[in-house]
Amino acid sequence: GAGVSQTPSNKVTEKGKYVELRCDPISGHTALYWYRQSLGQGPEFLIYFQGTGAADDSGLPNDRFFAVRPEGSVSTLKIQRTERGDSAVYLCASSFSVTGELFFGEGSRLTVL
Amino acid sequence: KQEVTQIPAALSVPEGENLVLNCSFTDSAIYNLQWFRQDPGKGLTSLLLIQSSQREQTSGRLNASLDKSSGRSTLYIAASQPGDSATYLCAVRPNRDDKIIFGKGTRLHILP
Repeated sequence: GAGVSQTPSNKVTEKGKYVELRCDPISGHTALYWYRQSLGQGPEFLIYFQGTGAADDSGLPNDRFFAVRPEGSVSTLKIQRTERGDSAVYLCASSFSVTGELFFGEGSRLTVL
Repeated sequence: KQEVTQIPAALSVPEGENLVLNCSFTDSAIYNLQWFRQDPGKGLTSLLLIQSSQREQTSGRLNASLDKSSGRSTLYIAASQPGDSATYLCAVRPNRDDKIIFGKGTRLHILP
């Protein structure tokens, strides 16, 4: 596609529910990144993929968070048993190579009530 | 552990002025550095990418410099316009296969 696409743009859920956030990267981009951004803060790294494999998942805060990229294109960030502290904007970015310029989507704003 | 700092957190300048935004990083051994712009409620837009072997990059009214030895980068904006109002973020890639680390950004307001 023309740019990185993220869905949904907004998600409101209740504490304890399961949430999936989707990222569709720029066509041909092999590297895909997930970041989380709270108000007034810079993006905080969660995980990045090179192809289908997670090259670095050191930023996932705990085992409630999981991400997949089964075919090396679209990625899904999955959050189990959501907590109010998970509320943030989840940003996805892709790049042509692992060292290349990053291009971001508009983000998915998650609100946990 | 690499840390990225941007000071000031917020800046207001009159339209037409030239200005400099600062970014510092604790470990001088970096692979590259990227400057982004973020409008309220939006994602990040890439402005300039500087490789570790480069000293500066230019795009239109923007010029980014890199001084690895002092752990600093600056983003120079010439002839500022109200449309330049946004948050500007600096991000460092420490090594080739490393995650990118962001500063908290500088919130810029250009006064008409």
